[in-house]
Amino acid sequence: AQRVTQPEKLLSVFKGAPVELKCNYSYSGSPELFWYVQYSRQRLQLLLRHISRESIKGFTADLNKGETSFHLKKPFAQEEDSAMYYCALSGHPINFGNEKLTFGTGTRLTIIP
Amino acid sequence: EAGVTQFPSHSVIEKGQTVTLRCDPISGHDNLYWYRRVMGKEIKFLLHFVKESKQDESGMPNNRFLAERTGGTYSTLKVQPAELEDSGVYFCASSHPREGDYNEQFFGPGTRLTVL
Repeated sequence: AQRVTQPEKLLSVFKGAPVELKCNYSYSGSPELFWYVQYSRQRLQLLLRHISRESIKGFTADLNKGETSFHLKKPFAQEEDSAMYYCALSGHPINFGNEKLTFGTGTRLTIIP
Repeated sequence: EAGVTQFPSHSVIEKGQTVTLRCDPISGHDNLYWYRRVMGKEIKFLLHFVKESKQDESGMPNNRFLAERTGGTYSTLKVQPAELEDSGVYFCASSHPREGDYNEQFFGPGTRLTVL
């Protein structure tokens, strides 16, 4: 069974401080990992995916298969980063039809000015 | 380009009543997904349409839930009869199929369902 765990429901960080949102997963196979974000009064949107290896809005996430983790990091938090963050996984796209997302419970990040 | 739209944004009904939620995907998106988040829990997959066909309905909780996508355009999710535990936010997402690559799912704003 596939599962995503986000151990922190709430996380408060001072502006300018580093941020790390934790995510661990279990999946029998080769998963795709994602971070989704929901800002206040906005819809859920994709922040980044592991395969693209991009930095989006200063955030990065590295897939660690040994530790089955996909933690989200940013070196210097900004006030506009306050939002709800969800880690998610799906099956490998080569398995057509297996794109459903399995989400963690989410972490509400608050940046303290 | 218009995003995924959902109607209604909120619905408050009594236990035993019927509610129908609607999702209009992004034009041209063959994939349509339904998810829901119940209070304090994770967003859970309900089902996946490819055009008008149900590709995966493994997440549907029970036979009180019926999803349709006639003509492969908009989709409806009917709950009949509604129970208290059905309360939550129901999300719809759509994506355009690209073989061999992940299809980014674009989410609607959600419908907040409250069953009293």
